Amino acid sequence: DAKTTQPPSMDCAEGRAANLPCNHSTISGNEYVYWYRQIHSQGPQYIIHGLKNNETNEMASLIITEDRKSSTLILPHATLRDTAVYYCIVRVRGYGNNRLAFGKGNQVVVIP
Amino acid sequence: EPEVTQTPSHQVTQMGQEVILRCVPISNHLYFYWYRQILGQKVEFLVSFYNNEISEKSEIFDDQFSVERPDGSNFTLKIRSTKLEDSAMYFCASSGETGGLGVNEQFFGPGTRLTVL
Repeated sequence: DAKTTQPPSMDCAEGRAANLPCNHSTISGNEYVYWYRQIHSQGPQYIIHGLKNNETNEMASLIITEDRKSSTLILPHATLRDTAVYYCIVRVRGYGNNRLAFGKGNQVVVIP
Repeated sequence: EPEVTQTPSHQVTQMGQEVILRCVPISNHLYFYWYRQILGQKVEFLVSFYNNEISEKSEIFDDQFSVERPDGSNFTLKIRSTKLEDSAMYFCASSGETGGLGVNEQFFGPGTRLTVL
């Protein structure tokens, strides 16, 4: 699976949009971009995933660049409960090798 | 909303003892996983399980570890002879599939904190 690069940490203002970047310059054509987050000591929580089109759900939006070498997770109105470590993971979506390879992630702190 | 549950939430054991961590995956999911997270470190994959057999395992998952789906609802991780370095949070996860597209996203349980003394 391709590796990803995220900033180690960032602060966001409560009520504002939070834009979380991820670089995955070695992504291959059949790899998806997945985002998870982990609120302190809890299990990782799935947020969203995409292949090449932008995606939106009730939690967030995912913007993937046309060359697919980077993406941005957008939390439209950050709340204090969004403080967490956010993980960007790229992996093939198939029927085998389903492991998720978590990196160190991006520690996002939402500030009042 | 369906969720993955894990018991116990905290397990304390003596080194050398056997422990069994239990998980109830989401009911219509077919793929099951164990991960662990040592305090302050990354979440690490241990093993995946499908159709009553291990489909993939990491180098961490040695002979001291085993997994089982003893009935239609539970999924267990057994550590035969615990070591101090087994102290960690252990997360169970499960996922379904969408025909033709592959395995769906994984949903994680709240974890079991294992402390080996």
